[in-house]
Amino acid sequence: EVQLVESGGGLVKPGGSLRLSCAASGFTFSSYNINWVRQAPGKGLEWVSSFGSDDSFTPHADSVKGRFTISRDNAKNSVYLQMNSLRAEDTAVYYCARSLHSGTGDFWGQGTLVTVSS
Amino acid sequence: DIQMTQSPSTLSASVGDRVIITCRASQSISSRLAWYQQRPGKAPKLLIHQASSLESGVPSRFSGSGSGTEFTLTISSLQPDDFATYYCQQYRYYWTFGQGTKVEIK
Repeated sequence: EVQLVESGGGLVKPGGSLRLSCAASGFTFSSYNINWVRQAPGKGLEWVSSFGSDDSFTPHADSVKGRFTISRDNAKNSVYLQMNSLRAEDTAVYYCARSLHSGTGDFWGQGTLVTVSS
Repeated sequence: DIQMTQSPSTLSASVGDRVIITCRASQSISSRLAWYQQRPGKAPKLLIHQASSLESGVPSRFSGSGSGTEFTLTISSLQPDDFATYYCQQYRYYWTFGQGTKVEIK
C-alpha cells in the first residue's frame, strides 16, 4: 500500500525554524519526485518545492526561496523541508505528494499543520 | 510564472445536475493539466491528468477536456459525494493551482 506520512509540524514563533519530514512506503521511492504543497487555512493550494528523483532538480517557490530548503534521503525513503525565518503567512497545512518526472501528484499524504504565531 | 484562473469560484447545484468548471492558463501548457477534488480536512485527490485521462478508480461521470490554455472539468450527473472543492493544476512548468471551485448543494 502506498503511504506518504508527513510529520514535524507544530506551533513556532515568527522567525523560528521547523523541519518537516515526509516518509514514504509501498512504492519505489527513488523513481519518484517528491513535492511539498501547502494550504493556508481556508485558502487554496500552493506549490512550495520539489525534489527530483534524479537528485538534480530542487526548485522552490519564490515565496519561500532563501528560507526553505528541501532535501532527500533515498536510504530512508524520506524527504525533508527545512523551514527557517518563518512568518505568519507560512501558517498552513503542508502536504507531500509524489509524482513521476514531469508529472502531477498522483498520491498525497494527509498533511501536517504548521502554525506561526507569537 | 504560469497563472491558472478557475471559474466559477462557487457553484450551487443539485443532485443529478450537469456541472462544468473551467480553467484558463496564462500561457500554453499543452495538455499538462490535472484536476483534483478536495473534501474538508482531507488531502487533494487526483481525478484527471493529462487534461482528459481519468485516474484509475474515478467514476466515469467525471471528464476533462481542453489543451493549450483552455480546459474544462465536467461532472455529468452530480452525486452527493461530489460536493467538494475542485482545483485545476498545471504541471508544464513546476506546479501552479487554480484558486478552486466550491461545489455546494443548491
